[in-house]
Amino acid sequence: EVQLVQSGAELKKPGESLKISCSGSGYNFGSYWIIWVRQMPGKGPEWMGIIYPGDSDTRYNPSFEGQVIISADKSIGTAYLQWSSLKASDTAIYYCARRFATKTMDYFDHWGQGTPVTVAS
Amino acid sequence: DIQMTQSPSFLSASLGDRVTITCRASQSLGSYLNWYQQKPGKAPKLLIYAASRLESGVPSRFSGSESGTDFTLTISSLQADDFATYYCQQSHSMSYSFGQGTKLEI
Repeated sequence: EVQLVQSGAELKKPGESLKISCSGSGYNFGSYWIIWVRQMPGKGPEWMGIIYPGDSDTRYNPSFEGQVIISADKSIGTAYLQWSSLKASDTAIYYCARRFATKTMDYFDHWGQGTPVTVAS
Repeated sequence: DIQMTQSPSFLSASLGDRVTITCRASQSLGSYLNWYQQKPGKAPKLLIYAASRLESGVPSRFSGSESGTDFTLTISSLQADDFATYYCQQSHSMSYSFGQGTKLEI
């Protein structure tokens, strides 16, 4: 069974750093892209960036480039999303999801449970 | 950037109703359009991929269609479990975006 399990909820102060994780199991982790998605309270999802754990090829949504770093360690089947200096506006739930793609389709078939991040002084 | 315009934002319906949600893309997507269901406190769940293909395990009352840059999700007969928020999502050239969502309420 394919599973993505994310790290737990975080409460941080503005200016602090943070790294959250997404661990995959039940499939070859290195062979499927993993996307990170932000969902702010009461809003729709927004894609932040996507990484191919096999070679760490990473693409960012221009809106998030320079604001976060996405990485992965295929040897332990885990992808990461990190911030160096959090802002209150980073308060959201963050999801990882597995990308399934062929020449005619491209979708996210398995999702993590979400990591709530709260940034408040 | 491709913009997705989803309508309506809110939809009030009753058990057994047939409902339709629409997404319009700002440019051609081919069939790179997917639909997700999200319930409060849960991750999105894939319902339809490639505009009209039903994900395994999803009830057949859900269906998707496309006409040019317009995409439609139809629920043929609403069940209690279907009250949720629905999002379209485009996957054109590895630049992704989601619609604003449709909250389906009783």
